[in-house]
Amino acid sequence: DAGVIQSPRHEVTEMGQEVTLRCKPISGHDYLFWYRQTMMRGLELLIYFNNNVPIDDSGMPEDRFSAKMPNASFSTLKIQPSEPRDSAVYFCATRGGSREDGYTFGSGTRLTVV
Amino acid sequence: GENVEQHPSTLSVQEGDSAVIKCTYSDSASNYFPWYKQELGKRPQLIIDIRSNVGEKKDQRIAVTLNKTAKHFSLHITETQPEDSAVYFCAAKGYRAGSYQLTFGKGTKLSVIP
Repeated sequence: DAGVIQSPRHEVTEMGQEVTLRCKPISGHDYLFWYRQTMMRGLELLIYFNNNVPIDDSGMPEDRFSAKMPNASFSTLKIQPSEPRDSAVYFCATRGGSREDGYTFGSGTRLTVV
Repeated sequence: GENVEQHPSTLSVQEGDSAVIKCTYSDSASNYFPWYKQELGKRPQLIIDIRSNVGEKKDQRIAVTLNKTAKHFSLHITETQPEDSAVYFCAAKGYRAGSYQLTFGKGTKLSVIP
């Protein structure tokens, strides 16, 4: 298994532009989490899905952020419009069913908004 | 929901010395406590975990201890090496939005001085 695959690895965009981050979970993992990591706040949970259904989006900072999981193999996190304060590393993580406790993280997307 | 506090935020040790990182949690129902290591520019990776029915677990130079009564757990690294330098995150599996999910500490930056 190739693990959790995120793309792109790096993204530099101008303020106001739309940004889409992508994640392919490990096959069979039915939980998918989106985290944002900054020096100030550490790892923040933005949203998570169970069986493609969004369960808790209370960590999404504002309406500019949205996430989807159209099928078990793919999820996106979109920021529209982007702002410089959105600059961070965004991680996708997945885990299996209730007996599988550990999370597997993707390599992350380093987003820079200028 | 669960709240995890981690100390210290930074730790410097001489190569060969031991390092200890401590975490406390708030939800007495939490039953799973993993530790993640994140090297610079890389993804967090699970290095060791412990469940609430065990007081201590060892894996070569690393060990975790759990005190359920006091609701704290610790990571111990013995005979530290330069490659142990990284950010370490503790986490606790607590109840959030209808299911049990991991809540992460803010991280400890460990520097091992050769």
